[in-house]
Amino acid sequence: DQQVKQNSPSLSVQEGRISILNCDYTNSMFDYFLWYKKYPAEGPTFLISISSIKDKNEDGRFTVFLNKSAKHLSLHIVPSQPGDSAVYFCARGTSYGKLTFGQGTILTVHP
Amino acid sequence: EAGVAQSPRYKIIEKRQSVAFWCNPISGHATLYWYQQILGQGPKLLIQFQNNGVVDDSQLPKDRFSAERLKGVDSTLKIQPAKLEDSAVYLCASSPIKGGQNTEAFFGQGTRLTVV
Repeated sequence: DQQVKQNSPSLSVQEGRISILNCDYTNSMFDYFLWYKKYPAEGPTFLISISSIKDKNEDGRFTVFLNKSAKHLSLHIVPSQPGDSAVYFCARGTSYGKLTFGQGTILTVHP
Repeated sequence: EAGVAQSPRYKIIEKRQSVAFWCNPISGHATLYWYQQILGQGPKLLIQFQNNGVVDDSQLPKDRFSAERLKGVDSTLKIQPAKLEDSAVYLCASSPIKGGQNTEAFFGQGTRLTVV
């Protein structure tokens, strides 16, 4: 069974500081990973992804790190802004496009 | 470009009744997904279509849930009969290619189902 787990249900951060969201996975070799953000009453929106052959991918304030030996990935948001307050989901994708999601982490960025 | 459209946005039904959800994916997207998101959990894949064929329905409760994607475009998801534990947000998503690395899915706003 291919699992992704987000062990922190919530994270609170001050505006301007770094937010680090974490995700652990099992049994992956050629999968890729994605992060989605979700506001209340909206569907998840794609943020950033990383392929299994890379260690890092960066897009503006968002950077995803993949540690294959530890089976761990993280999303860094720098600097954090109040508008970043949302639920963040990590997900893994297979070669045929199946996406499996973690349980989500609620990020709150305080002004 | 229009996004993924879903209807209705909200639905309240009594247990043992039936309900249907509709999804119109982004034009040209070959893959369509239905996810169930229970409050406080991540989205769980119910069924994945590639054009009008089923790729994965391993987590679809087939005794009460059914889905179809006619002509490889629109899709409907049906629950008959509904149970209290079916209360959730049902999300439809689509993606443009057949798979491979970094295939992102685009989500609709979802249908919030409440079974009473």
